[in-house]
Amino acid sequence: GEDVEQSLFLSVREGDSSVINCTYTDSSSTYLYWYKQEPGAGLQLLTYIFSNMDMKQDQRLTVLLNKKDKHLSLRIADTQTGDSAIYFCAESRGGSYIPTFGRGTSLIVHP
Amino acid sequence: EPEVTQTPSHQVTQMGQEVILRCVPISNHLYFYWYRQILGQKVEFLVSFYNNEISEKSEIFDDQFSVERPDGSNFTLKIRSTKLEDSAMYFCASSEAVTLNTEAFFGQGTRLTVV
Repeated sequence: GEDVEQSLFLSVREGDSSVINCTYTDSSSTYLYWYKQEPGAGLQLLTYIFSNMDMKQDQRLTVLLNKKDKHLSLRIADTQTGDSAIYFCAESRGGSYIPTFGRGTSLIVHP
Repeated sequence: EPEVTQTPSHQVTQMGQEVILRCVPISNHLYFYWYRQILGQKVEFLVSFYNNEISEKSEIFDDQFSVERPDGSNFTLKIRSTKLEDSAMYFCASSEAVTLNTEAFFGQGTRLTVV
């Protein structure tokens, strides 16, 4: 079955790097995603990575995938107060692009 | 920027009552979805809808639930005879297609509270 786990909270100081971790169980996962939910808003796709990639970088965001350990992480460099949100890890298998989500990690950025 | 809108933002209903959650997907999108998140738990897929038919549904989406696209703009989720455990945030999403490079856009959610 599919299962995605992530820690519930992360607190960082403004300007530091944030690393949000996620583990998944489905070895046939083909695509892995990070979504962001700001207060009062919907889920916004931040980035995704194919399972045959190890890393993807997009400006301040770096996604690392360890397929052997089924571990996905999202690193946010120079974290800002505007990055405070809930970050959801998700995965889907080839043939279905309907993601299976984790519980979300609340990122709290303090001055 | 086009967006998915959901109404109401918060709905309180008595146990046993029927509720209809409404969504207006982005106008040129063809695929529609409902997800829910019970407080403190995962965002769970309920159903996907395409061409006026359910294309995929989860175990959660039992006979208590139904979806409809009653006109060209709305996409609704009906929950018959609500139970306390139906209390959750319900998210609607839509996409142009079902491919990796096609993003699903989510609404801001409707918080359903069953009392």
